[in-house]
Amino acid sequence: KAGVTQTPRYLIKTRGQQVTLSCSPISGHRSVSWYQQTPGQGLQFLFEYFSETQRNKGNFPGRFSGRQFSNSRSEMNVSTLELGDSALYLCASSFRTGGITEAFFGQGTRLTVV
Amino acid sequence: AQKVTQAQTEISVVEKEDVTLDCVYETRDTTYYLFWYKQPPSGELVFLIRRNSFDEQNEISGRYSWNFQKSTSSFNFTITASQVVDSAVYFCALRDNDMRFGAGTRLTVKP
Repeated sequence: KAGVTQTPRYLIKTRGQQVTLSCSPISGHRSVSWYQQTPGQGLQFLFEYFSETQRNKGNFPGRFSGRQFSNSRSEMNVSTLELGDSALYLCASSFRTGGITEAFFGQGTRLTVV
Repeated sequence: AQKVTQAQTEISVVEKEDVTLDCVYETRDTTYYLFWYKQPPSGELVFLIRRNSFDEQNEISGRYSWNFQKSTSSFNFTITASQVVDSAVYFCALRDNDMRFGAGTRLTVKP
């Protein structure tokens, strides 16, 4: 059974640009969550999608957005990139939402903003 | 406020020693879930265990064991007879409305 796949693995962008990250969940999983990991702030919850609907959102500015498709794949978009957006972005999938079932993480996308 | 505290920033042990990672949480909800994840240098978070707030039964799985105590809001994790491959950052997490992670404990197991 394939795990959670995140693409790309590494990305370098310039300030002011926008970026789209992709996450393919484990087959059968309908919930996808996104997290940002930085040395200073640690692991922070961005948002969660279930059946194409955003269920929860963390405390991030509107520049961070996401969506989920009918096949449960999810994308995360960050517009007007800032240097502080440099981070490891992790995606997790689970069968159900709300922590009822465990979440499995991908290897992440390391974004560097220069 | 929902909060997860891992007071130990770094722990270093010698192989075969037992080590306990501490986790204290805060939540106002009566229904919540607790998790432990391991993050090796590759970066991927590896799921270790999930417990719901109604299940205080502690468990041993191989070299791993967990101690969940609602009375003290603690969810500690113990590795028995540690091995070098256990070296990683370990995260405790709490899920009620959203998911909140602790700051992580970096465990180094020396040969």
